[in-house]
Amino acid sequence: EVQLVESGGGLVQPGGSLRLSCAASGFTFSSYEMNWVRQAPGKGLEWVSYISSSGSTIYYADSVKGRFTISRDNAKNSLYLQMNSLRAEDTAVYYCARELLRWGQGTLVTVSS
Amino acid sequence: QSVLTQPPSASGTPGQRVTISCSGSSSNIGSNTVNWYQQLPGTAPKLLIYSNNQRPSGVPDRFSGSKSGTSASLAISGLQSEDEADYYCAAWDDSLNGPSWVFGGGTKLTVL
Repeated sequence: EVQLVESGGGLVQPGGSLRLSCAASGFTFSSYEMNWVRQAPGKGLEWVSYISSSGSTIYYADSVKGRFTISRDNAKNSLYLQMNSLRAEDTAVYYCARELLRWGQGTLVTVSS
Repeated sequence: QSVLTQPPSASGTPGQRVTISCSGSSSNIGSNTVNWYQQLPGTAPKLLIYSNNQRPSGVPDRFSGSKSGTSASLAISGLQSEDEADYYCAAWDDSLNGPSWVFGGGTKLTVL
């Protein structure tokens, strides 16, 4: 069974950093493109970042470019999102998604003082 | 402001047929396929339709998708109370400013 389990969310102060992880199982992780998508409280879905199966191609939304870094470790079947210089508007549930077809349950990031 | 445009709300009575539209442009819907998602309160989005009109296993055939030009539609027939949820469309965007996934703003479906 395909499973995507996010972790690493929590409360962080503005300007702080957080690293999200997504543990994948039930499929050949190294064969699939992965994405991070977020949803602010009461708002719609917003794509954050994309990484190709090998990690050689990466894209970011303008809203996070220069602050967030996506990466993956195919040997560990894991996807990551390093988030720096966090702002209040980054507060959201963050989902990892395989090709936007299979989604995890999300992890909540709250940026507040 | 979302790149893809959806009506913010839709409604219908049990048994009715409801459609939700999703309007984009040549760089997204016009040149790539469309996915549709259902999100129940407090849960993660669930894939409803992929590649414009394909249903994943387990999704009832009451749900169908279509695409024409730069617009797409989700149709729900035989509306049921459990269909009350938020619905989102998404497509890959080949913008020269940088490729990305783009979403509609979501449509809240109410079953009256």
